[in-house]
Amino acid sequence: AQSVTQLGSHVSVSEGALVLLRCNYSSSVPPYLFWYVQYPNQGLQLLLKYTTGATLVKGINGFEAEFKKSETSFHLTKPSAHMSDAAEYFCAVSVRDDKIIFGKGTRLHILP
Amino acid sequence: DTEVTQTPKHLVMGMTNKKSLKCEQHMGHRAMYWYKQKAKKPPELMFVYSYEKLSINESVPSRFSPECPNSSLLNLHLHALQPEDSALYLCASSQVWAGELNEQFFGPGTRLTVL
Repeated sequence: AQSVTQLGSHVSVSEGALVLLRCNYSSSVPPYLFWYVQYPNQGLQLLLKYTTGATLVKGINGFEAEFKKSETSFHLTKPSAHMSDAAEYFCAVSVRDDKIIFGKGTRLHILP
Repeated sequence: DTEVTQTPKHLVMGMTNKKSLKCEQHMGHRAMYWYKQKAKKPPELMFVYSYEKLSINESVPSRFSPECPNSSLLNLHLHALQPEDSALYLCASSQVWAGELNEQFFGPGTRLTVL
């Protein structure tokens, strides 16, 4: 069965520092992977997605993620954190055409 | 229009009340979803409609009753809820292409409080 594990329920970085949010997946078939962001009291917004092809995926707001099959990972990065990046981030995997499974989420805190 | 709208934004109801949540999209998507999200938790899938037919029910209690009157609208009827049903209810929609990645677009949610 497909699943995702997010390492670290809370991550704090200084403004301007590198953001790294970790996600490992488990899948018996080539996975479709996503990163979503949720700001307080809002719905989820898709940051980026991996289907097939290029393993480095660029998303919105300067985020990118790299699919590493050998490590079963799909970590999210951003070179320079901004205060507006403070939010909850969810990694997710598609288990069928109309169903995705979310990880438990990582709360990103940005320190001034 | 790439927006999923949900009404109301907030809802407070008693355990004996009947209320409904509404979701609407005009992106031509033929799949629509209801999720429940408790505080500090990921969204949990409740129901999926594909081409206006219920395709997934994740063993949700019958006090939650979904309805998809047309391809743009999705309702969630609530009756005799419990305080533990208080949560953010999210609606989403997507295309339905078999074997393809179908990105889900989320609405802002309805914050439900059951007294």
